[in-house]
Amino acid sequence: GQNIDQPTEMTATEGAIVQINCTYQTSGFNGLFWYQQHAGEAPTFLSYNVLDGLEEKGRFSSFLSRSKGYSYLLLKELQMKDSASYLCVVLDSNYQLIWGAGTKLIIKP
Amino acid sequence: GAVVSQHPSRVICKSGTSVKIECRSLDFQATTMFWYRQFPKQSLMLMATSNEGSKATYEQGVEKDKFLINHASLTLSTLTVTSAHPEDSSFYICSAALRQGSDNSPLHFGNGTRLTVT
Repeated sequence: GQNIDQPTEMTATEGAIVQINCTYQTSGFNGLFWYQQHAGEAPTFLSYNVLDGLEEKGRFSSFLSRSKGYSYLLLKELQMKDSASYLCVVLDSNYQLIWGAGTKLIIKP
Repeated sequence: GAVVSQHPSRVICKSGTSVKIECRSLDFQATTMFWYRQFPKQSLMLMATSNEGSKATYEQGVEKDKFLINHASLTLSTLTVTSAHPEDSSFYICSAALRQGSDNSPLHFGNGTRLTVT
């Protein structure tokens, strides 16, 4: 079967760094997305990885290891507005989206 | 950047009526559009995948006769909730992808439609 695992909830302090991990087992692989979603809103695209390695974009970075079926989203200099759910999504060989359940990130002052 | 327009943003309808939700890709041709439903405090659930000019592929458990999807052009897909019932009240979101050979473009999401069936 197809499966995406990520922690249900994480807590971090404002100004700190947090890493959200995601492991996946899917039928083929056409890329991995990270999305941010605030309550009541549509998800917002953060990153897309299809090759191994680290992609840095401002305070957010995303890493992928295809051989390990593993990715992480790194958030630096955390701000209160970063409190949201972070969704790990894999595009399989049929371009079907396989969604993780999301990680709720709570930022404390 | 690419934009997906979803309309309406909110709709209230009476039980037994049908509601149509439109999803348009404004500045790119979307060969594939996805329809999602979000229940409160839960992740997005993929309902169906539609490819332009062909029948939509529905996820297990989604009634294709109840949730009619039409993807007649490369810029427009519609979701019609037929004979709506209060349990259909939810947040429906569409997204569009440009699928071109090995070009794996990010998905672009609409702003969602909040459906309330009374």
